[in-house]
Order: sequence, then structure tokens, then C-alpha cells
Amino acid sequence: DIQMTQSPASLSASLEEIVTITCQASQDIGNWLAWYQQKPGKSPQLLIYDATSLADGVPSRFSGSRSGTQYSLKISRLQVEDIGSYYCQQAHSNPTFGGGTKLELK
Amino acid sequence: EVQLVESGGGLVQPGRSLKLSCAASGFTFSNYYMAWVRQAPKKGLEWVATISTSGSRTYYPDSVKGRFTISRDNAKSSLYLQMNSLKSEDTATYYCARLGNYGGMVPFDYWGQGVMVTVSS
Repeated sequence: DIQMTQSPASLSASLEEIVTITCQASQDIGNWLAWYQQKPGKSPQLLIYDATSLADGVPSRFSGSRSGTQYSLKISRLQVEDIGSYYCQQAHSNPTFGGGTKLELK
Repeated sequence: EVQLVESGGGLVQPGRSLKLSCAASGFTFSNYYMAWVRQAPKKGLEWVATISTSGSRTYYPDSVKGRFTISRDNAKSSLYLQMNSLKSEDTATYYCARLGNYGGMVPFDYWGQGVMVTVSS
């Protein structure tokens, strides 16, 4: 199975701050990576697919990038509605998720 | 509007069975792969099962293979998960999810609200 190592596990940031979350794949998965946001008490929602493509309705302050087998999710200016947990997921083979990043307000 | 509504959760004893259902609406159900994803309390997401559009192909991780069975009824726009020989580690919120097709990439693009399954004596 492909392992996805996500970091950090938790993160505290201020409003308007730039936030970056990373995922390291255990092998080459190309661009077969998605990012999800899960607000407290809610279901996950798709943010990014194909490593860099924004899902419908997702604000442009969210962006995804790739460098080899390392993938990053960036929030350019943190808003209060961005608080929650974030997960990466590889879709190269049977799906596996990263361990998650819990994002809180400082 | 795409809607996925799960039902059938509850408290069940170890070793017993439970069947979850997911009613889909707002899209042509038979055109999409579907899946179940679970989340143990205060934990991350774990993929549980995937089924092809016709139901002829199913996929499972080792953690549930041989115990769980995913199925679908396209005429009823419904997805199911039969869970047998349940263990305490199966305790989780179970989400029904649609697999979207984005030019080859198949992320989970819509999720239900989830249904809780508690395995305990």
C-alpha cells in the first residue's frame, strides 16, 4: 500500500497568515492526489484534485503544488471559516489518506 | 443538488452483523463509482470499499476484506455496506461517498453526513 505522511499533525495560525500543509508519498503517485477539508462536526469536502486543480466553489486562497513525491496545500490568507482538519489522499492505487492536520486559530 | 443520505447505523455486539444504506439523489447514480469511507472517533479517514458503476467490480482494504461487502441497486439509486463479524475497531462514523471523474483522477467529490456504528458488548 502507498503510505501518505502528512505534516504537521496540528497547526496554530493567525488570521490572514499563510498556512502550508505537506504530504509525502511513499512512492511515485504522479498528480493523483486530492486534498479535503473537514470542518468540526461535518463531513469532508473536496478542495483540490490532480494535485493542483481547485474543486468547484473553493476559494482561490487555496492552492496545491507538487515537488516530486511531496505535495503541499497552501492557504494564502487564513480566514476563520478555514478552521478544521485537512487530509491528503492518493488515488494512484487503492485510496489511502494522510493522517490529517488540525488547523486552529492562534 | 447532489445528496447522499446514510442510514442503518447503531450499537452492535462484537461478532454480529449490520447493514448500512445510502440513498443518492441529484445525479445519475448509475454513472458513478461509489465508496464507503470511515472515521474512528477523533481519528483520521480510512477507505473501506469501492464499487464500480454496474456493481461487477468491488475493492476493499485488507482490514475489512472477507468481512464487509459493498453492493448497489442502480434502480433505487442506493448503495449498501454489509458488515459481518464486526470488531471493536470497526467503531466509526461511516460515510457514503461518490467518486467523481475529473479527466482520469477519481477523488471523493461528494460525501454523505455520515452514520455512526458502535461495536461494543
